[in-house]
Amino acid sequence: KQEVTQIPAALSVPEGENLVLNCSFTDSAIYNLQWFRQDPGKGLTSLLLIQSSQREQTSGRLNASLDKSSGRSTLYIAASQPGDSATYLCAVPYSSASKIIFGSGTRLSIRP
Amino acid sequence: DAGVTQSPTHLIKTRGQHVTLRCSPISGHKSVSWYQQVLGQGPQFIFQYYEKEERGRGNFPDRFSARQFPNYSSELNVNALLLGDSALYLCASSGEGNQPQHFGDGTRLSIL
Repeated sequence: KQEVTQIPAALSVPEGENLVLNCSFTDSAIYNLQWFRQDPGKGLTSLLLIQSSQREQTSGRLNASLDKSSGRSTLYIAASQPGDSATYLCAVPYSSASKIIFGSGTRLSIRP
Repeated sequence: DAGVTQSPTHLIKTRGQHVTLRCSPISGHKSVSWYQQVLGQGPQFIFQYYEKEERGRGNFPDRFSARQFPNYSSELNVNALLLGDSALYLCASSGEGNQPQHFGDGTRLSIL
C-alpha cells in the first residue's frame, strides 16, 4: 500500500530565504511524482511533474528532485516571496496513472 | 483554453439528502477523476472514469457514485448525506498516457 508523508506540516520563514519541502513515499514503483500548490479554499495548481526516469525538474524558482530508491522527493524554493504562501502537496500515482495518492501537505507561510 | 470547471462552487445540504456535483474537463481530455478533500488533509481518490467507463474506485461507500457522459463531462452523486461528507470535492482531468492531472477549483459541500 502506497503512503505519502510530508514533513514539516507547517513552515514559516522570512521573505528571501531559500527553503526545502520534503516528501516521502513507501512504494518506489511509481509512474511519476507531482508537486501541487493549493491556496486556501481553492483547487490544486500543478507545479512540477517528475517522470520516474527523471531525477529533477525545474520551473523558475522551483526545483523538484526525485530519488526513487530512497522513496524521497524534495521541492526547493529559491528566494521565497510572500506570494509563495500556500499549502504544497506532493502526490504519486498508485495502481494506475490516474489514481493519485496525496500527502497531507506542508502549509508554507512567507513573512514579509 | 478553459481549464477544468466544476459546479456549483458551494453547496449546503442537510443529512439524508442527496447531491450531484458536475465537472467539465479540459477540451480533449478523456479521463476524469474525483477526489474528496477534508479540511487539513490531502485529497482522497474517489473515482476515475475514462471513455465513459469506471477505471478506478477508492475506498468510499456505495453512497458515492459517478458517471461520465459522451462529451467527457462527469457527475459525482452522493446519497444519504452524512455530516462527514462535508468537504471540498475536486475534479481532475488528464490527457492520454502518463500526463499530469489538471484540477478544477472544487465544490465546497457543507452538510448541516
